[in-house]
Amino acid sequence: NAGVTQTPKFRVLKTGQSMTLLCAQDMNHEYMYWYRQDPGMGLRLIHYSVGEGTTAKGEVPDGYNVSRLKKQNFLLGLESAAPSQTSVYFCASIPKEITTETQYFGPGTRLLVL
Amino acid sequence: RKEVEQDPGPFNVPEGATVAFNCTYSNSASQSFFWYRQDCRKEPKLLMSVYSSGNEDGRFTAQLNRASQYISLLIRDSKLSDSATYLCVVASSGGSYIPTFGRGTSLIVHP
Repeated sequence: NAGVTQTPKFRVLKTGQSMTLLCAQDMNHEYMYWYRQDPGMGLRLIHYSVGEGTTAKGEVPDGYNVSRLKKQNFLLGLESAAPSQTSVYFCASIPKEITTETQYFGPGTRLLVL
Repeated sequence: RKEVEQDPGPFNVPEGATVAFNCTYSNSASQSFFWYRQDCRKEPKLLMSVYSSGNEDGRFTAQLNRASQYISLLIRDSKLSDSATYLCVVASSGGSYIPTFGRGTSLIVHP
């Protein structure tokens, strides 16, 4: 199993450009999450999905859109990038049968918006 | 008030020292508790889950106090390799499962 993978690993954008970050998991997990991490801020939830075809807003959803067309993929889109979106983005997944289960994280995508 | 609060540190300790971190949470309905470790520029990785009865894994001991709504992590005999940021994570199972992260506590172990 590859676990959770993220594409790309690093990207530089100009203000106003758009891009899509891809998260893929091969563990048949139901729940998937997108977080951003800024210095001193910890991980903040952007959007999440509880299953194929469903998405919901997290703590900091503004400026982002997501889609979960396939169970294994969770896409994060920036329609018009802003410097404030410079951050490290982490994707995570978890199976449906959760009691004391933990999240599996991807390696992160480092995004710089100029 | 942030849902999960941690002292950011840094905690600067010598090798062999014992160090303790605390974390407080505001949602009394929280049911799952974890400590994660994050190395610089890497993804968070689970260190240990935290159970009501407390649990130990080698040099690491985690405790949960539901009445006071805090969890703790104790590291004994600190190693240089323990230097990292330790994240407290709390989740409730009502409705959607959404883990909430603290900002992390930085630990630096020096020779």
